[in-house]
Amino acid sequence: AQSVTQLDSQVPVFEEAPVELRCNYSSSVSVYLFWYVQYPNQGLQLLLKYLSGSTLVKGINGFEAEFNKSQTSFHLRKPSVHISDTAEYFCAALPLQGAQKLVFGQGTRLTINP
Amino acid sequence: EAGVAQSPRYKIIEKRQSVAFWCNPISGHATLYWYQQILGQGPKLLIQFQNNGVVDDSQLPKDRFSAERLKGVDSTLKIQPAKLEDSAVYLCASSLDPVAARLFGSGTRLTVV
Repeated sequence: AQSVTQLDSQVPVFEEAPVELRCNYSSSVSVYLFWYVQYPNQGLQLLLKYLSGSTLVKGINGFEAEFNKSQTSFHLRKPSVHISDTAEYFCAALPLQGAQKLVFGQGTRLTINP
Repeated sequence: EAGVAQSPRYKIIEKRQSVAFWCNPISGHATLYWYQQILGQGPKLLIQFQNNGVVDDSQLPKDRFSAERLKGVDSTLKIQPAKLEDSAVYLCASSLDPVAARLFGSGTRLTVV
């Protein structure tokens, strides 16, 4: 069975500081990996995805993530955050064999303080 | 391109009443999903359609929940009768195929009182 663990439920950061949101996955088969952002009272918006190729993936809004197969991690980073980045962030894994059901982590609430 | 459309945005009903949600996926997306997101949790898949056929409904409470995707485009999700624990955001998503990124609608926030 696949699982996704987001290691921090809440991350407070000052504006213009760097941030890293951590994600680890567990799977017996190859996976695609995704990060989604959810603003208050909104649906999930795709930030970025890793399918294959370069392990450093760039997404929207200045975010990037690095796939590390040996550590089964897919951490999300941004060098300088803005107040508008305050939201819930979800990491998700999609197994490429079997049921192909997207598995979500529990989410990390990113709060940007002025 | 237009995104996934959902309606209504909000719904408040009393327990034991029925409710229906509607979803129009992105044009050309063959795969459609309904997720339930309880406050403070990640989304949980309720049902997945491939065109108008059900691929996975293993986590759908079939005694009260039903969903259909007639003609392989729009979809409706129904709850009858509703329980207090059904209070959640119901998200519809679509993708080109089962291994493509899911793109989500804005969701319907259901409150059962």
